[in-house]
Amino acid sequence: GAVVSQHPSRVICKSGTSVKIECRSLDFQATTMFWYRQFPKKSLMLMATSNEGSKATYEQGVEKDKFLINHASLTLSTLTVTSAHPEDSSFYICSAPGGRDSDTQYFGPGTRLTVL
Amino acid sequence: GQNIDQPTEMTATEGAIVQINCTYQTSGFNGLFWYQQHAGEAPTFLSYNVLDGLEEKGRFSSFLSRSKGYSYLLLKELQMKDSASYLCAVMDSNYQLIWGAGTKLIIKP
Repeated sequence: GAVVSQHPSRVICKSGTSVKIECRSLDFQATTMFWYRQFPKKSLMLMATSNEGSKATYEQGVEKDKFLINHASLTLSTLTVTSAHPEDSSFYICSAPGGRDSDTQYFGPGTRLTVL
Repeated sequence: GQNIDQPTEMTATEGAIVQINCTYQTSGFNGLFWYQQHAGEAPTFLSYNVLDGLEEKGRFSSFLSRSKGYSYLLLKELQMKDSASYLCAVMDSNYQLIWGAGTKLIIKP
């Protein structure tokens, strides 16, 4: 089946630095990818929709200057957390619709970000 | 390798009960999640099991057996709005999420 990978799987950084997280669709093309943040109560919050060749669409309340999204190709989207702060520490997950049924979402394994 | 199996599609009748099974083989275990996802929307958290047993939350219940690598999501008194995809995901020893492909549940009147 379709596979979505994320890199890195975990990252620890100092406050004020920027961190880039990659999301790749390994055996299919994705013109759209989604970025989520998982909160301690396990719920997933949709942060933004990444669109290949155009600007990302951000959900209400998500700072687009802080969470930069670039959909560089049909298989790669990146999320850059700029000037990270401890409150940005979280589990970030991406997904992409793929296969014959575009309603099927393939999820990445997640990236655990810890900001010191 | 790591693997999550769940049925691709299930059909049930409004008002009835349906059980969606999930079996897993992962390197370590740090909990199992169930999410509901309607087409075009973000997944909604349903349950998190880390200990064996049944957890009931309204019309939805989730069961876990770690020794068998098995979980199920039980939906009672089905409503048309329950038509959705149900995703099973396991967090492994590296705290990475291993996702099932999802079960598309179709509810018929």
